[in-house]
Amino acid sequence: QKEVEQDPGPLSVPEGAIVSLNCTYSNSAFQYFMWYRQYSRKGPELLMYTYSSGNKEDGRFTAQVDKSSKYISLFIRDSQPSDSATYLCAMSAPGNTGKLIFGQGTTLQVKP
Amino acid sequence: DAGVTQSPTHLIKTRGQQVTLRCSPKSGHDTVSWYQQALGQGPQFIFQYYEEEERQRGNFPDRFSGHQFPNYSSELNVNALLLGDSALYLCASSLVRGQETQYFGPGTRLLVL
Repeated sequence: QKEVEQDPGPLSVPEGAIVSLNCTYSNSAFQYFMWYRQYSRKGPELLMYTYSSGNKEDGRFTAQVDKSSKYISLFIRDSQPSDSATYLCAMSAPGNTGKLIFGQGTTLQVKP
Repeated sequence: DAGVTQSPTHLIKTRGQQVTLRCSPKSGHDTVSWYQQALGQGPQFIFQYYEEEERQRGNFPDRFSGHQFPNYSSELNVNALLLGDSALYLCASSLVRGQETQYFGPGTRLLVL
């Protein structure tokens, strides 16, 4: 079993839709949770960073962490065609924060 | 302010050859991590360098080695290339305090024939 599981999709939504992306994990030591966006043939771009449980909002993006369920989510409101990309969740544990463990990535397509 | 830069952008090698990839971290960052991303997969941690020393290593064979220079730039070397080494190699930089927030370069796409 992988430490971090992420549905690869692809996920296709109409412009303006609310998108929900999710990851589950097995290592209860994870405390730092990140979401990266990766456009085709580019490097991952850090979108959101959350420490421990709770919600964090940044513009159209909201990250949620539920440590009791070992489940994290990224919500995108008012999705735009420019949001079409692969979204990667990543996490790390205290004392080992330099080693990010990534999910497989979910490919999102927002249709105009 | 330049972000993380990597060179070359693309590389084609044959089995058994050796390759060196280069990375310059984001200005002000002192820690460099390397990841391998196979097609359709998430990045996998190879190793991390700080103060010119390897601090952590992922589950990769000794054919993968690295170096960090006094100016914090880094190299990734892969010897005895295998077909399975074909991937996007990503460099990420961070501060040693705050390693959870890593910023990635565009990557080097390596094809082994």
